[in-house]
Amino acid sequence: EAQVTQNPRYLITVTGKKLTVTCSQNMNHEYMSWYRQDPGLGLRQIYYSMNVEVTDKGDVPEGYKVSRKEKRNFPLILESPSPNQTSLYFCASQGTHSYGYTFGSGTRLTVV
Amino acid sequence: GENVEQHPSTLSVQEGDSAVIKCTYSDSASNYFPWYKQELGKRPQLIIDIRSNVGEKKDQRIAVTLNKTAKHFSLHITETQPEDSAVYFCAASKGGTDSWGKFQFGAGTQVVVTP
Repeated sequence: EAQVTQNPRYLITVTGKKLTVTCSQNMNHEYMSWYRQDPGLGLRQIYYSMNVEVTDKGDVPEGYKVSRKEKRNFPLILESPSPNQTSLYFCASQGTHSYGYTFGSGTRLTVV
Repeated sequence: GENVEQHPSTLSVQEGDSAVIKCTYSDSASNYFPWYKQELGKRPQLIIDIRSNVGEKKDQRIAVTLNKTAKHFSLHITETQPEDSAVYFCAASKGGTDSWGKFQFGAGTQVVVTP
């Protein structure tokens, strides 16, 4: 089944404790992206990647890091999480010849 | 950069009526406009999209129209049903190798269909 898999689905952590949210897709898609969703603000792009080792900032990259060492994986790293990073996070992928993103199931992160 | 505004933020309709959501974009270079539906607690899913060389596209009860001159595009849902209740997001992208994955989303419209 073609899918984007994110883990974990839910995460509660403390301020300053480094964490990684994993994302993997099995569709051989070139493009991958991370979004955060907050009430009233819609989906805001954090980072996106055009292919292996090629990444670029989205609209809200501060406090986040990404890496794309393999085509299928695109982890989101929070080196020192803060409470304002409490949000619902979605990973998504898109192929060169496909239109629109396929989203993962989401990760609800709470930073206390 | 691109800015996408979406209206209204909430929309209540009676079952069987039509619903229209409108988005405006700022970058005239944007050429791809998808619409996503997000049901409560679920992921956004692509429901319809339109490219800038097309003025209108229809898929059963949903349609999207694009006015490049005015830089706005709209989602039309006819004969609404309770299962159409969800949050709908519009988005815009400029395409091209470097921009293909870069989308700007609207803030979303909560649609409630009452029986």
